[in-house]
Amino acid sequence: SQTIHQWPATLVQPVGSPLSLECTVEGTSNPNLYWYRQAAGRGLQLLFYSVGIGQISSEVPQNLSASRPQDRQFILSSKKLLLSDSGFYLCAWTPTGQSYNEQFFGPGTRLTVL
Amino acid sequence: AQSVTQLGSHVSVSEGALVLLRCNYSSSVPPYLFWYVQYPNQGLQLLLKYTSAATLVKGINGFEAEFKKSETSFHLTKPSAHMSDAAEYFCAVSDMEEYGNKLVFGAGTILRVKS
Repeated sequence: SQTIHQWPATLVQPVGSPLSLECTVEGTSNPNLYWYRQAAGRGLQLLFYSVGIGQISSEVPQNLSASRPQDRQFILSSKKLLLSDSGFYLCAWTPTGQSYNEQFFGPGTRLTVL
Repeated sequence: AQSVTQLGSHVSVSEGALVLLRCNYSSSVPPYLFWYVQYPNQGLQLLLKYTSAATLVKGINGFEAEFKKSETSFHLTKPSAHMSDAAEYFCAVSDMEEYGNKLVFGAGTILRVKS
């Protein structure tokens, strides 16, 4: 069966520090991968998605970036965090190709920027 | 482009009462629709999905939703609320106009269940 992991589960970082959040998927190959952010009371915002290794699409311009160094690994990064980067970050995956496939979500990372 | 509107950011029901969470969508093509539930500090879990088969879709935890094309709606219901149903619920539509199998989410509805 497929599983999705995110780490760390929680993170407290000072403003201006770097960020690296990791997401890995097991039990499937060539998934589509997604990064979302939930800010307090603001629903789900799609940040990045990837349909293959090295292929990243950005939905919202910001100081975050994403990379996909391996087929089932998706990394969210920042060189300098802002207060507004605080939130709950969710990674998700879906099988390639079919629009009727649901997205499967990871457990999330709670990021607090102080 | 597809869009989703969830009426009511907060819904409160008594334990044992009917749960009705409203979702309306906009789509230029026949949609695929989803309901997810999120408990505090957890990821989203799929409740049910509509993929153009039966218009009444049954999901987990006693929830169901009915696809009504004429009303462009996909409301979520449960006959009798339980305390464990307290959570945030998201309706989503598959964005088939763009590459990448993306989903367009509604803003979410927080369900409170009173004892």
